[in-house]
Amino acid sequence: GIQVEQSPPDLILQEGANSTLRCNFSDSVNNLQWFHQNPWGQLINLFYIPSGTKQNGRLSATTVATERYSLLYISSSQTTDSGVYFCAVCPYNTDKLIFGTGTRLQVFP
Amino acid sequence: DAGVIQSPRHEVTEMGQEVTLRCKPISGHDYLFWYRQTMMRGLELLIYFNNNVPIDDSGMPEDRFSAKMPNASFSTLKIQPSEPRDSAVYFCASSLQGNEKLFFGSGTQLSVL
Repeated sequence: GIQVEQSPPDLILQEGANSTLRCNFSDSVNNLQWFHQNPWGQLINLFYIPSGTKQNGRLSATTVATERYSLLYISSSQTTDSGVYFCAVCPYNTDKLIFGTGTRLQVFP
Repeated sequence: DAGVIQSPRHEVTEMGQEVTLRCKPISGHDYLFWYRQTMMRGLELLIYFNNNVPIDDSGMPEDRFSAKMPNASFSTLKIQPSEPRDSAVYFCASSLQGNEKLFFGSGTQLSVL
């Protein structure tokens, strides 16, 4: 099956710093989504981004489908950004969203 | 909209007991997914439904697991008999159509002693 790899596995930042999270996938996909799991366990959908670039406040995402990767940018990080960021992809001919192993982000004041 | 609603939030049970987890998807969403999250295996898709019909249950770990969707607003995931290795967080999620933005419930934390 398709492999979804995220890097780095862990990231520690001071408030105000910027960061880039990466998601690589091993096969062509229908769509790609980014999620944030907060420290209370809630999974929040950040972006639905099969290709191109989207921005939402301090967060933006870029997917280059032809090269099988996506990037999530977090600018001016805040302590509330802490948690785990997941990338999930949907292979062609299926509606199954397959999750990566996540990047754990800790932002300290 | 209230979002995807799951119950209970926490379930503690003894090995061998039957466990039933419940989910109400977002109104109008045609797709419903059940995921399981553990430290060792991450987020795994167990089963998903389209218009109340199970489409793919290849992720269901064993015959002890079963899922139903009797109508568009309700689904259950049942484990009978439960075992300690079933301890995990079980999430329900829904989307308007397949291959579209996915919305998760708050999850059920299951502990089997």
